[in-house]
Parts: sequence; structure tokens; C-alpha cells
Amino acid sequence: EADIYQTPRYLVIGTGKKITLECSQTMGHDKMYWYQQDPGMELHLIHYSYGVNSTEKGDLSSESTVSRIRTEHFPLTLESARPSHTSQYLCATGQGLGGYNEQFFGPGTRLTVL
Amino acid sequence: AQTVTQSQPEMSVQEAETVTLSCTYDTSESDYYLFWYKQPPSRQMILVIRQEAYKQQNATENRFSVNFQKAAKSFSLKISDSQLGDAAMYFCAYRWGSSGDKLTFGTGTRLAVRP
Repeated sequence: EADIYQTPRYLVIGTGKKITLECSQTMGHDKMYWYQQDPGMELHLIHYSYGVNSTEKGDLSSESTVSRIRTEHFPLTLESARPSHTSQYLCATGQGLGGYNEQFFGPGTRLTVL
Repeated sequence: AQTVTQSQPEMSVQEAETVTLSCTYDTSESDYYLFWYKQPPSRQMILVIRQEAYKQQNATENRFSVNFQKAAKSFSLKISDSQLGDAAMYFCAYRWGSSGDKLTFGTGTRLAVRP
């Protein structure tokens, strides 16, 4: 079944640690996105990719980095986590341009940095 | 820059009743798309309904319908015959044009459904 997977779902970690949030998809979509969502707030796009070896920064500045080596995999990395990085991170996929180009969302990773 | 405003942080509706969630947006573009997304507690965000700006007819999906007022830049969501499973955060979102793909979200409305 086509789906989007994010691991871990919850992560509590200390300041200064390096973390990688995983996102993988079996949707067969070329486009992938990372959104940051503070509790009860709107989503902000922080990274996106149109395909392998393509990554761009989104509208909200983020200290995180991403890579896209495989179509189905779009991990997000924080080299040194800080309390200001505490948030929910949502991965999404989309296919093509134009039309509705619906975005499909993963379950999210809730990150807490102590 | 485009902005999306949801002026109702929280709404409540009695089961089986109808509720309307408000959304306004600001854009100088004429070609765009509007969406309502639902985010249940601890569950994945899903698309509820979508509207193309060039279509005058309001979109409808089962119990969900929109009132799209292009001149007023308003895009409200009506949920009829509300069910307990409708309880969630609802986000209005905007996407520019036929070649754009990035979404701009509103701040969301938390809908509670009273049994």
C-alpha cells in the first residue's frame, strides 16, 4: 500500500546532539517536502526536493539540512540540536506540477530538545 | 507574499449539526488553488476538499462543501451533519498557479464535536 513513513515518531534528545529524522515513501512521487509545525500553529515549509539530487530551502529559514539520494528517501538532519528546534516535523510528497498537485503527509515526528 | 488567515482558533458544534469554518487569503494572483486539510489528533493530515480559483462552482465532497468568494478572497468550509470523527484541526491552504506547488497554510481552527 502506498504510504509515507516517518521515524522516529517521537524523539526527546539533549542539546548538542546530532539527529536525523527519516522520511520514506512508497507513493512513487518525485516531489518531497519538509514542514515544521509548532503546537497549534500553521505549517511552514523548510525544505523541498523535486527529485534525486535536488534540494531547496523553503520559506522558513531552518538550521537543518536535507539530502535526496534516492527517490523514496528524504532525511532531515540537525547537526547540533537546540531547544529552539523543538517542534513537529512533517514530511509530505507530491507528484508533478500544475493541477491540484495534492500533497500527501506523513504522520510526523515530534521532536523535543532539552 | 500570499497570506492565509483563519480567524477562528477554536469552534464547537453539536453532533449532527452544521458548522462553518472561515478562511480569508490575500493574493495578487488570478490563478491559484485553495485547500482545506484536516489534522486529527496524533494522526496524519489529509486533504478534505480543494477548489480551483477559475471555477465559479463551489466544490463539494459528501458532507463537506466550500463557499468560495473570489472577489472577497474568502474560502469557508461547511461541514454538514457533523460527526465525532470530524473533530480535528482544520487548515486552510493556498497554492499559487498552475506551475506552483508550495502551500501556504493558515494558523488552523480546532473543531470540537459535542455528542
